[in-house]
Amino acid sequence: GESVGLHLPTLSVQEGDNSIINCAYSNSASDYFIWYKQESGKGPQFIIDIRSNMDKRQGQRVTVLLNKTVKHLSLQIAATQPGDSAVYFCAENNGPNNAGNMLTFGGGTRLMVKP
Amino acid sequence: ETGVTQSPTHLIKTRGQQVTLRCSSQSGHNTVSWYQQALGQGPQFIFQYYREEENGRGNFPPRFSGLQFPNYSSELNVNALELDDSALYLCASSSWGQGSYEQYFGPGTRLTVT
Repeated sequence: GESVGLHLPTLSVQEGDNSIINCAYSNSASDYFIWYKQESGKGPQFIIDIRSNMDKRQGQRVTVLLNKTVKHLSLQIAATQPGDSAVYFCAENNGPNNAGNMLTFGGGTRLMVKP
Repeated sequence: ETGVTQSPTHLIKTRGQQVTLRCSSQSGHNTVSWYQQALGQGPQFIFQYYREEENGRGNFPPRFSGLQFPNYSSELNVNALELDDSALYLCASSSWGQGSYEQYFGPGTRLTVT
């Protein structure tokens, strides 16, 4: 079936470096994607989203890139900080009428920031 | 914080029992979705409620059921609990039909079935 997956289960970076977390999706009909951050013992926290009519979207220290040709999504975190340590999930919308209310999540990438 | 609250935070049940989990959505949101997150995995969609009716369901058996109330809060009920039901149960609220697709998650309820 359709799924969202991640290339790297664990990513370790030095504080201050940039981080890149990757995600592959298989449902070419998906038109909305979200990145979530989940810290231990907490629910997923919305980071940034992107619709399929865009290829790049920037937030505060984060950038999401979407390559529809190869069905690839990435999250870039600039100047990674210890507080960025968490598990990151990408999710795609597969709800009716592109409502964005039913999400399929990938398995997650753990980001570890070394001081 | 998202404004989405869930209760209880932790729960221990034995196999065969029934459980009810509760969720209060963020102010202004009309849709609640429930997800199951097993340890070390991503959340899996259970079902969604909009205008007090089920509005979509994932691959979960009928012993998983829910309700949404006029104030948009919601309950998840699980009957005949199995060991594999042990997981973090997350609810997420959103505003379907209002131009925003963002979903905001609560902190979850950790269910342990023994």
